[in-house]
Amino acid sequence: AQSVSQHNHHVILSEAASLELGCNYSYGGTVNLFWYVQYPGQHLQLLLKYFSGDPLVKGIKGFEAEFIKSKFSFNLRKPSVQWSDTAEYFCAVRPSGYSTLTFGKGTMLLVSP
Amino acid sequence: DTEVTQTPKHLVMGMTNKKSLKCEQHMGHRAMYWYKQKAKKPPELMFVYSYEKLSINESVPSRFSPECPNSSLLNLHLHALQPEDSALYLCASSQMGGETNEKLFFGSGTQLSVL
Repeated sequence: AQSVSQHNHHVILSEAASLELGCNYSYGGTVNLFWYVQYPGQHLQLLLKYFSGDPLVKGIKGFEAEFIKSKFSFNLRKPSVQWSDTAEYFCAVRPSGYSTLTFGKGTMLLVSP
Repeated sequence: DTEVTQTPKHLVMGMTNKKSLKCEQHMGHRAMYWYKQKAKKPPELMFVYSYEKLSINESVPSRFSPECPNSSLLNLHLHALQPEDSALYLCASSQMGGETNEKLFFGSGTQLSVL
């Protein structure tokens, strides 16, 4: 079965700092990769996804992620965070052709103004 | 309409009650999902319906009973729950279920408290 590991449970940054959240997965086959965000009191929203092609994917709100197949990684980045980016971020993986989406434990990002 | 609508938003129930959570989508999606999310934890898959048939049951206790009356509706019937079942229950849908180039659309969830 696939698994997802997010390296940091909590990250605290000041506004304008750069962000990188780590995500590693374990699965031997082809996968679809996702980052979801959950703002306080809101539902999960898709930030970005990778299915195939260019391993550098761009999502909403200035986020991007890079798929490095050799490292089984899909790290999320943003050059300059804002206070409104305070949220919980979940990495998720789904083996290609399967319905099951497995989430990582999440990283709580707190951005101080 | 690109929304997954869940009702009720909040539910408090006793351990002897019977209640139902409802989920609705009108995007023509043929796969629908129930996830359970405890506070500060990631969502955990409970059930998947694909073309109105239960395709995945992640060893969920029988006190949770899913139902898919048609392609737009998904219910979760609750009976004799335990306090540890208190959580946010999320419904999601996707176009086909298991295909590539799909993303899940999540509802806002039902915050369930079992007393």
